[in-house]
Amino acid sequence: EDQVTQSPEALRLQEGESSSLNCSYTVSGLRGLFWYRQDPGKGPEFLFTLYSAGEEKEKERLKATLTKKESFLHITAPKPEDSATYLCAVQPGPSPRLTFGEGTQLTVNP
Amino acid sequence: NAGVTQTPKFQVLKTGQSMTLQCAQDMNHNSMYWYRQDPGMGLRLIYYSASEGTTDKGEVPNGYNVSRLNKREFSLRLESAAPSQTSVYFCASSIQGSNQPQHFGDGTRLSIL
Repeated sequence: EDQVTQSPEALRLQEGESSSLNCSYTVSGLRGLFWYRQDPGKGPEFLFTLYSAGEEKEKERLKATLTKKESFLHITAPKPEDSATYLCAVQPGPSPRLTFGEGTQLTVNP
Repeated sequence: NAGVTQTPKFQVLKTGQSMTLQCAQDMNHNSMYWYRQDPGMGLRLIYYSASEGTTDKGEVPNGYNVSRLNKREFSLRLESAAPSQTSVYFCASSIQGSNQPQHFGDGTRLSIL
């Protein structure tokens, strides 16, 4: 059974304090790993897709990396507007179905 | 550019009532999806439509039906609502094929009393 576990469940940072969020997964035949950001009362907003171990993608203060068992979302010098829940999802096999983790709720204090 | 539009945004139903949630996308995507999001459970796939004219069950299809009305629209129907179906429902769409990111609407918040 495909599984995605995100840690920590919640993370509180001071503005400028860099950190990382973890997404551990077990899946048969990973086709893609996706990171989303979700603001309260909104739908998930797509951030990155990673396809193979060793791949990295960056967008502003965010950098996503992938190994064979986990992915990290690194947040460098975060700002209060980075506060949100970050979701990780995996796509196993040729089906477009995604399996989501429960998310990490990030709060960045000014 | 609206992306994925869901209606209604909020709804309260009584147990046993029926309801259809509407979803439309303007990105010319072939594939569409319905998820529910519950505290402690994450997003779970209810049904999806890989292309116009096809639908498939996801992880939690019981109690739901779907209709892919055309390329743009994908509806979710609750025939006899139950309190366990209280949730936030999200519709998403993507380019057909694996590895393609799904793009989500802002959800319908549904309470069943």
